[in-house]
Amino acid sequence: DTEVTQTPKHLVMGMTNKKSLKCEQHMGHRAMYWYKQKAKKPPELMFVYSYEKLSINESVPSRFSPECPNSSLLNLHLHALQPEDSALYLCASSQPRGDIYSNQPQHFGDGTRLSIL
Amino acid sequence: RKEVEQDPGPFNVPEGATVAFNCTYSNSASQSFFWYRQDCRKEPKLLMSVYSSGNEDGRFTAQLNRASQYISLLIRDSKLSDSATYLCVVNITPTTSGTYKYIFGTGTRLKVLA
Repeated sequence: DTEVTQTPKHLVMGMTNKKSLKCEQHMGHRAMYWYKQKAKKPPELMFVYSYEKLSINESVPSRFSPECPNSSLLNLHLHALQPEDSALYLCASSQPRGDIYSNQPQHFGDGTRLSIL
Repeated sequence: RKEVEQDPGPFNVPEGATVAFNCTYSNSASQSFFWYRQDCRKEPKLLMSVYSSGNEDGRFTAQLNRASQYISLLIRDSKLSDSATYLCVVNITPTTSGTYKYIFGTGTRLKVLA
């Protein structure tokens, strides 16, 4: 069982819809991440939140909008997506930085499989 | 040149075989290193962290060579259940943010045959 919970597991949406992906962790981690993964490719980093503040945005299109309401929750709001946005969206969490945390790994949720019609 | 390079495979090996994967990285400021395994249509799961002194966990041994900038994973006595994609991961701190981020290798596919 994963300690990072993502909902929904599957999502099918049209290009004009608005939907949100949710991620929750209760490990006390203060860094949370969104990744996009296409078939047979490694995960690609989209966003990083550190202490509930957006720390890294890897030039992601504005149709993806992240939100971190508190230290346990991370959302990804979706609007006007394109068919090429169909992918597995993974959330992860870890301790963010500092010498004692430098070797702390990220823990992944089991993902939301998104299909854009 | 990719920041983290792996042989994509596939490596097809018989049960009981020993198999080794290598991974090279280009960023000398890389802080920490990990191996993850990913089963088809599942999330990456941490297999082991990689330490400079080398470390072992059961049938799995990981090595780090900072001077040559490569990481290795050795799997002994392969099981059918070891069939998966193995992702080499390097953790770096971008100078602009100070927050760690992962750089993934492309992954190496392993298939253990009965």
